[in-house]
Amino acid sequence: DILLTQSPATLSVSPGERANLSCRASQNIGNFLGWYQQKPGQAPRLLMYSGSMRATGTPARFSGSGTGTVFTLTINSLEPEDSAVYYCQQRTNWPPFTFGPGTKVEIK
Amino acid sequence: DVQLEESGGALVQPGGSLRLSCAVSGFIFETYDMNWVRQAPGKGLEWISYISKSGNTVYTADSVKGRFTFSRDNAKNFLFLQMTSLRVDDTAIYFCAREAYFRPGTYYDSWGRGTLVIVSS
Repeated sequence: DILLTQSPATLSVSPGERANLSCRASQNIGNFLGWYQQKPGQAPRLLMYSGSMRATGTPARFSGSGTGTVFTLTINSLEPEDSAVYYCQQRTNWPPFTFGPGTKVEIK
Repeated sequence: DVQLEESGGALVQPGGSLRLSCAVSGFIFETYDMNWVRQAPGKGLEWISYISKSGNTVYTADSVKGRFTFSRDNAKNFLFLQMTSLRVDDTAIYFCAREAYFRPGTYYDSWGRGTLVIVSS
């Protein structure tokens, strides 16, 4: 099975600052990685796909990078509404389609 | 509007059974693969199942294999999750999610709000 790890577990950032979230895969997954945002009491929402492509409605301050086993989600000029938990998920053709444990972004 | 709505969540005793449904509307259901994802209270997301457009292909997480059965009714626009031999650690919010094609891969672009299953004596 492909395992995903995310770091840090929690990130506390001031409004206007940049946040860098890491996702590492236990084996090469190419760019078959998605990022989801989940706010309290809500369903997850697709934020990024194929590692670096923004989904419909994702603000331009969100960007993704990486390929293979190391991926990064960057949030530039953080806004209060970005407070959420962010999950990565591998979407190769090989189940289980695991999620990472998540990174909680807190606004100072 | 694309809509997914789960139902059937309840309090059930360990060893019991439960059937969850996911009603969909606003898109052509039979043209989309679907998934179930669950989330234990205060925990992260756990993928538990994929079912193909036709229902002929099903992938299941080891944590529920042999206890949970996944199916769909394309004529009625429903996705189903039959749960048996429930355990305390099956307590979670269960989400259904639509899988959409974003070249070259697929991702979950629409989710229901989830239904809560509590397994407790």
